[in-house]
Amino acid sequence: DAGVIQSPRHEVTEMGQEVTLRCKPISGHDYLFWYRQTMMRGLELLIYFNNNVPIDDSGMPEDRFSAKMPNASFSTLKIQPSEPRDSAVYFCASSRERLAGGSYNEQFFGPGTRLTVL
Amino acid sequence: DAKTTQPTSMDCAEGRAANLPCNHSTISGNEYVYWYRQIHSQGPQYIIHGLKNNETNEMASLIITEDRKSSTLILPHATLRDTAVYYCIITGNQFYFGTGTSLTVIP
Repeated sequence: DAGVIQSPRHEVTEMGQEVTLRCKPISGHDYLFWYRQTMMRGLELLIYFNNNVPIDDSGMPEDRFSAKMPNASFSTLKIQPSEPRDSAVYFCASSRERLAGGSYNEQFFGPGTRLTVL
Repeated sequence: DAKTTQPTSMDCAEGRAANLPCNHSTISGNEYVYWYRQIHSQGPQYIIHGLKNNETNEMASLIITEDRKSSTLILPHATLRDTAVYYCIITGNQFYFGTGTSLTVIP
């Protein structure tokens, strides 16, 4: 398997533009996570899906952010309109179903998308 | 979900054991302790996790205190490639990574 695939790897855009980040999870994984990483705030969970259904989006910073998972092999994170403070590295991760005891399985992270909003 | 406290940075001599502590005093009974690491700007990599008992795998050992309020990740023979940021996280339905411990392995 190629691992978690994210595109683009780098994105530079101007304030006010729409940005769409894409993620292809590992085949057979039931969970998909979107994270944002900045120097100030570290690695933050934005939203996660189970079997394509959003489970917890409490980490999404505001209404400008939206995420979808139309099928098991594709997810998008959209920012509209983008602002300079959205500049960060965005990671997508996927994992298999939870273990029998209730623990989450290990998450496999993609290489990230470095977003710069000017 | 419980939050964690980790030292900002640590050094370790190459070949020696690296012991990375983590405090999670508000952990609840059904929450697990997970450790991940992030090398440079790559995506984080899973290391190990546990609930109550100590755990060991090919990468590391995890020691959890009896009251579960703290844990220690042990890299038995640190190498230069272990230089990374190490995250201790507690999971219920959230995954709070925080800023982790930056470990530098010194030749």
